[in-house]
Amino acid sequence: AQSVSQHNHHVILSEAASLELGCNYSYGGTVNLFWYVQYPGQHLQLLLKYFSGDPLVKGIKGFEAEFIKSKFSFNLRKPSVQWSDTAEYFCALILTGGGNKLTFGTGTQLKVEL
Amino acid sequence: GAGVSQTPSNKVTEKGKYVELRCDPISGHTALYWYRQSLGQGPEFLIYFQGTGAADDSGLPNDRFFAVRPEGSVSTLKIQRTERGDSAMYLCASSFGLAGYNEQFFGPGTRLTVL
Repeated sequence: AQSVSQHNHHVILSEAASLELGCNYSYGGTVNLFWYVQYPGQHLQLLLKYFSGDPLVKGIKGFEAEFIKSKFSFNLRKPSVQWSDTAEYFCALILTGGGNKLTFGTGTQLKVEL
Repeated sequence: GAGVSQTPSNKVTEKGKYVELRCDPISGHTALYWYRQSLGQGPEFLIYFQGTGAADDSGLPNDRFFAVRPEGSVSTLKIQRTERGDSAMYLCASSFGLAGYNEQFFGPGTRLTVL
């Protein structure tokens, strides 16, 4: 069965620091990859997604992620974080042709300090 | 426009009781999903519907869990003989269609506590 691993459970950064959150998946076939974000008191919302083509995808609020197939990775990056980026971040996948059910990682809690 | 809504926002019940959790999807969305999120974990898939039919219920943990969507819009997740291990946040999402490129929009969730 497929799985998603997020190794950083809690990350604390100062404003303007660069961010990279790790995401690795386990599955031998083709997948579609996502990053979701949950701001305090809000719903889960889509940050960015990768389906095909350019492995570097850009999302909202200056976030980007790079799909590296050989490493089964889809790390999330942002060059300069803001206090408002404090949130929980989830990596997720859908199996291509396997229906639209998301498999999520355990999440990374990011706290950005002023 | 209105997003996905879920009621109640919180439900406290006693072990052995029956509960119903409701989800109102975004108008026009034909696909509806239920996920369960335990503390410190990511959401886990339970079931999804395309229209009125359950397209995939492989995530339901056992036969105490059941979900319906009789008119292809509102869905109800039903849990019989609740157990303390059922305590979790239950999330509903909807999308325009079932294809993977259709974004799933999540509701605020129902926090279920079984005492």
